[in-house]
Amino acid sequence: KQEVTQIPAALSVPEGENLVLNCSFTDSAIYNLQWFRQDPGKGLTSLLLIQSSQREQTSGRLNASLDKSSGRSTLYIAASQPGDSATYLCAVQGGGADGLTFGKGTHLIIQP
Amino acid sequence: NAGVTQTPKFQVLKTGQSMTLQCAQDMNHEYMSWYRQDPGMGLRLIHYSVGAGITDQGEVPNGYNVSRSTTEDFPLRLLSAAPSQTSVYFCASRTFSAGELFFGEGSRLTVL
Repeated sequence: KQEVTQIPAALSVPEGENLVLNCSFTDSAIYNLQWFRQDPGKGLTSLLLIQSSQREQTSGRLNASLDKSSGRSTLYIAASQPGDSATYLCAVQGGGADGLTFGKGTHLIIQP
Repeated sequence: NAGVTQTPKFQVLKTGQSMTLQCAQDMNHEYMSWYRQDPGMGLRLIHYSVGAGITDQGEVPNGYNVSRSTTEDFPLRLLSAAPSQTSVYFCASRTFSAGELFFGEGSRLTVL
């Protein structure tokens, strides 16, 4: 059974810092990996989708990498802002038609 | 373009009552799914559908029924609510090929 782990569980940093969120998964047979953002009381918003054949994706200040063979992904946030405060979730899509397997998230606080 | 719409946003039930959570998407996505999100447990897949007339069970299907009579709608039914079903429920959809998953805003259910 696929398991997804996110480290750290929580992170608080001053505004302006560059930071890295980590995601690891146990089964490397994945179709894709997706990073989401969740604000309190809200749904999940997709940030980046990396297909299994890709190594990284970029969107603005966000960069996500994927190393399928080692079962790892990182989300890099450049020049963090208070508006980046949220919970960030990593999820992998396996080979079947069923759903994503989610990590439990990293709760990020950016201090002004 | 509304995306994925869930109703109701909040609901309080008594043990044994039944109800239906509604989910509709206007993106012509073949794949739709229901997740529940609980503190410390992350998001877990309840049921999913790969097209009209086709449904299947996810990780935690007990106590829930689904049907998919149209491409747009995927309701989740609780036949006899239990306190263990207190949770936040999310509907999500995507194209059938492994692609970006879009979430609704969630439905917060409390069973007393």
